[in-house]
Amino acid sequence: QQPVQSPQAVILREGEDAVINCSSSKALYSVHWYRQKHGEAPVFLMILLKGGEQKGHEKISASFNEKKQQSSLYLTASQLSYSGTYFCGTLSGAGSYQLTFGKGTKLSVIP
Amino acid sequence: NAGVTQTPKFRILKIGQSMTLQCTQDMNHNYMYWYRQDPGMGLKLIYYSVGAGITDKGEVPNGYNVSRSTTEDFPLRLELAAPSQTSVYFCASSYGTVLGELFFGEGSRLTVL
Repeated sequence: QQPVQSPQAVILREGEDAVINCSSSKALYSVHWYRQKHGEAPVFLMILLKGGEQKGHEKISASFNEKKQQSSLYLTASQLSYSGTYFCGTLSGAGSYQLTFGKGTKLSVIP
Repeated sequence: NAGVTQTPKFRILKIGQSMTLQCTQDMNHNYMYWYRQDPGMGLKLIYYSVGAGITDKGEVPNGYNVSRSTTEDFPLRLELAAPSQTSVYFCASSYGTVLGELFFGEGSRLTVL
C-alpha cells in the first residue's frame, strides 16, 4: 500500500526549515528518501532502518518512528538547491524487493 | 562512468505498436528495476531482477515483459501499446538488495496515441 506524504507542496524562503512526513498503514522495515528535480531522475538521500536512524546529507536528516510507522525528513536552513520533489519509499520486510513510493512532496525554495 | 543508461529518451507510439526500452548499467549491480512515473502518482514498480536469468513482477506488470540475459542489460518490452502506458519510465539498479541506494537512469518518456 502506497505511503502517504504530507504536505503535498510547500514553499520556503532561503534559510527556512521544513519537515516532510511519510506515513504507512503497514508495519515497515525501512524508509527510503529520494529527491527528484524537474525533468531529472530521482536521487538517493538516505535510508532509515527499523531500529536505527541514518543521516545521508548535511543539513538534511530524518527520523523513523516504528510504532507509528512514520518517517519525517528535516531540511534545515534551506537552500535554493533543495527545490524539487521529495519521495519516500517503504519496505515492509527485509526480504521484500518492492520499494513502494509515496506520491511526493513538492518543495520550492525561493530567494 | 556512465551509470545507468536508458534509450530512447523520447518515443511516440501508435496504439497497438510494440517497442523495447533499453537499460544498461556498468556498475556490476545484481539488482535492476523498472518503474513508471505518472504525474502526481509517484513511482510504481513494474518488474525487477535480482540477477541474470531471474525476473519477477512488481506492482503494475500488465502489458509489459522483461528479460535479463546479462548482468548489464534489463530491457522492458511493451506489447500492444495502449494510451494507459503513456508515462515516464525509469530503470534503476542497486548493488546489494533494495536496501541499498537505487541508481536511476535519466528516464524514457513514452507517449501512446
